[in-house]
Amino acid sequence: EPEVTQTPSHQVTQMGQEVILRCVPISNHLYFYWYRQILGQKVEFLVSFYNNEISEKSEIFDDQFSVERPDGSNFTLKIRSTKLEDSAMYFCASSEVMQGGYTFGSGTRLTVV
Amino acid sequence: DAKTTQPNSMESNEEEPVHLPCNHSTISGTDYIHWYRQLPSQGPEYVIHGLTSNVNNRMASLAIAEDRKSSTLILHRATLRDAAVYYCISFFNAGGTSYGKLTFGQGTILTVHP
Repeated sequence: EPEVTQTPSHQVTQMGQEVILRCVPISNHLYFYWYRQILGQKVEFLVSFYNNEISEKSEIFDDQFSVERPDGSNFTLKIRSTKLEDSAMYFCASSEVMQGGYTFGSGTRLTVV
Repeated sequence: DAKTTQPNSMESNEEEPVHLPCNHSTISGTDYIHWYRQLPSQGPEYVIHGLTSNVNNRMASLAIAEDRKSSTLILHRATLRDAAVYYCISFFNAGGTSYGKLTFGQGTILTVHP
């Protein structure tokens, strides 16, 4: 069964450093998303991406965050200057059609120290 | 998105059916109902979704009330692997203006006893 692949599985970074979280969505999917989950809390929407541009973003997704689809396969989330409160699991998801089920990756655990 | 209400937790025995309820009384005619689950230390996993008719797939069945104000996710024979948090999400897409934001609540923690 096709999978959404995320790398790395765990990243530790120092406060103020830039991090890039990588995702390879399912190849025929057109809609891409990033979500995050702080330990013990709900899964939160960050951003959706369609047709090579951001289609919707949450209040969390401020100027420190950016997304990119640099080639036909990768989808990245960049955090420019990490804060302690950015520590969370970050999930990438993709879907073939907007109304269909979404496939999530297994996540990247980001720890900011 | 229409707000959904689920019980905080439910328990079941292995190999018995499980009925997970969800209320979405403010749902509109174009809102799909999605169910996802999250096993410990994993990402959310798609279970099933529907609009008006009952739906079946290899994982579960979704029974949608005629007035669409509630739905029930049915696991026909619970296994230990089904122990997870189950999320009922009302997915809004009016005229294509929403691009797929899923709003997760706290969900229902399902415990399956051997």
